[in-house]
Amino acid sequence: RKEVEQDPGPFNVPEGATVAFNCTYSNSASQSFFWYRQDCRKEPKLLMSVYSSGNEDGRFTAQLNRASQYISLLIRDSKLSDSATYLCVVTALYGQNFVFGPGTRLSVLP
Amino acid sequence: ETGVTQTPRHLVMGMTNKKSLKCEQHLGHNAMYWYKQSAKKPLELMFVYSLEERVENNSVPSRFSPECPNSSHLFLHLHTLQPEDSALYLCASSQDYRQSNTGELFFGEGSRLTVL
Repeated sequence: RKEVEQDPGPFNVPEGATVAFNCTYSNSASQSFFWYRQDCRKEPKLLMSVYSSGNEDGRFTAQLNRASQYISLLIRDSKLSDSATYLCVVTALYGQNFVFGPGTRLSVLP
Repeated sequence: ETGVTQTPRHLVMGMTNKKSLKCEQHLGHNAMYWYKQSAKKPLELMFVYSLEERVENNSVPSRFSPECPNSSHLFLHLHTLQPEDSALYLCASSQDYRQSNTGELFFGEGSRLTVL
């Protein structure tokens, strides 16, 4: 089983839509969780950390379920500029640091 | 000035060539990383340096040789590569290695390598 798995995508959604991405991880000792965003032919950049109680940053909401080893990212009111690949990232105190999922590509269409 | 700078941005080399990728970070970070990103595959961690000491080496072929002369600079020396080594090579830095995990890796723009 891969360490971090994500929805295969791509997701093609109209502007204004709500879209949700899912991510699962295999290492139960994982401690920290993040969503990164990578635009086409650019480097990944941190979008947001994911906290146990869930957290929100504007139109973006991240959730963590440690029991199910599952992370989600919800984007409300999608904008054209949200088009990118979204990478789920997990890190553990013991074991590899910053393990990246394969990413889910989002295209927001006018 | 960008936080993490990589050169060259693009590199084409033959299988018998020797070349090097360079990375410089201006963030005062203690940890630096090399990642490989191939089409339709997750980012693969290649090497990690913490305070100039190599702390991880994920079964990378010896044709890739890292060098970290100080905490701001990281090199990836390339020798007798194969066509399947063609990929985007990303350098990153973080404040510390195995930190309390604020989680921010700062990436350079990458060096796109093509091996003919």
